[in-house]
Amino acid sequence: ETGVTQTPRHLVMGMTNKKSLKCEQHLGHNAMYWYKQSAKKPLELMFVYSLEERVENNSVPSRFSPECPNSSHLFLHLHTLQPEDSALYLCASSQDTFMNTEAFFGQGTRLTVV
Amino acid sequence: AQTVTQSQPEMSVQEAETVTLSCTYDTSESDYYLFWYKQPPSRQMILVIRQEAYKQQNATENRFSVNFQKAAKSFSLKISDSQLGDAAMYFCALNNAGNMLTFGGGTRLMVKP
Repeated sequence: ETGVTQTPRHLVMGMTNKKSLKCEQHLGHNAMYWYKQSAKKPLELMFVYSLEERVENNSVPSRFSPECPNSSHLFLHLHTLQPEDSALYLCASSQDTFMNTEAFFGQGTRLTVV
Repeated sequence: AQTVTQSQPEMSVQEAETVTLSCTYDTSESDYYLFWYKQPPSRQMILVIRQEAYKQQNATENRFSVNFQKAAKSFSLKISDSQLGDAAMYFCALNNAGNMLTFGGGTRLMVKP
């Protein structure tokens, strides 16, 4: 198994749908992250969890709702999204939140909102 | 606020040659780390190399090395003996407290056989 696994790899959803993205890490890490990667824009940090508690919410619209039930799993619940939310959503984990710690990324979920 | 800028959207290099990718950044912090990440077509970001701001010696990892100029806030990546597998998007990133990476816009590197 790869270190950080994201499902699904691709998702197409309508603006009225509700869906969830899943991330699982098998590295024993204590911190997990959601990043958004849009075309022609730098990666944007969305949420940070450390020891299952949210430590950063980077001004993300409420139509994105994260959930971290334990240190190995992270979800991103989606509802009433807009077409501009179409992007690659990357999950990452790290041993801790110290600045020198390497982040390990999943392969992302390619989301298309129609 | 901190920013990271990669001024080269695309670069091309001949196989076995050397290429340098540019990155500049801005931060008010005195202690921070800088990273280069590689994103191949598989989309999974992989750490290439990291540099602590307090260390004057440039980091090296096999064929990858950096030129860190703290006063100029510059952090370039040099890839020596380029290989076809080096073709990817390369992202420069800045990290300080909380391990919250700030990324540049990326440079697409193409390697010609």
